[in-house]
Amino acid sequence: AQSVTQLGSHVSVSEGALVLLRCNYSSSVPPYLFWYVQYPNQGLQLLLKYTSAATLVKGINGFEAEFKKSETSFHLTKPSAHMSDAAEYFCAVGLLGGGGNKLTFGTGTQLKVEL
Amino acid sequence: DTAVSQTPKYLVTQMGNDKSIKCEQNLGHDTMYWYKQDSKKFLKIMFSYNNKELIINETVPNRFSPKSPDKAHLNLHINSLELGDSAVYFCASSQWDTQETQYFGPGTRLLVL
Repeated sequence: AQSVTQLGSHVSVSEGALVLLRCNYSSSVPPYLFWYVQYPNQGLQLLLKYTSAATLVKGINGFEAEFKKSETSFHLTKPSAHMSDAAEYFCAVGLLGGGGNKLTFGTGTQLKVEL
Repeated sequence: DTAVSQTPKYLVTQMGNDKSIKCEQNLGHDTMYWYKQDSKKFLKIMFSYNNKELIINETVPNRFSPKSPDKAHLNLHINSLELGDSAVYFCASSQWDTQETQYFGPGTRLLVL
């Protein structure tokens, strides 16, 4: 079984400040991990993914995430927030090596960026 | 060009009606999915199809029936709609590999009155 926990359903930062969105996973086998972003009334767009290569993964729009096996975490960061980053962010875990392409999503974190 | 498209974008209907949502992808993928996003934005997989074969069926009521006429299309038919079916339904596609990214459509917002 696999699961994802996103700590903080709402995060608010000032423009230019560091963005940190937390994701912890649980998986019985080596996981692969994703961060998706959802803008209002739109579908999900991939930000980045971890598939057992480099533990520090760089994505689009200046986001990156670090896979830490010892902490079972995959937190998303961006050094400097921009107003356009305001959106809902989802962490997801999949099974590496089997499981039928099933992604399990976290409950999402709403990021608000203030002036 | 739209990679994953869904129709309709909005669907408002009465309880008890039957409705369908269509999904098409032009990415050449062989696997397609349906997800349900509830009012709290929780996303949960409903079905997945690989090469027109049902792979995942996540304890969804049998009022929901997916149909895949070919690899590029996956439709969702819902019978006897209930208030609790109100949600956003997302279609997604990927290649059959557990590491492959799933690409999502824009969603269909279903409201059952």
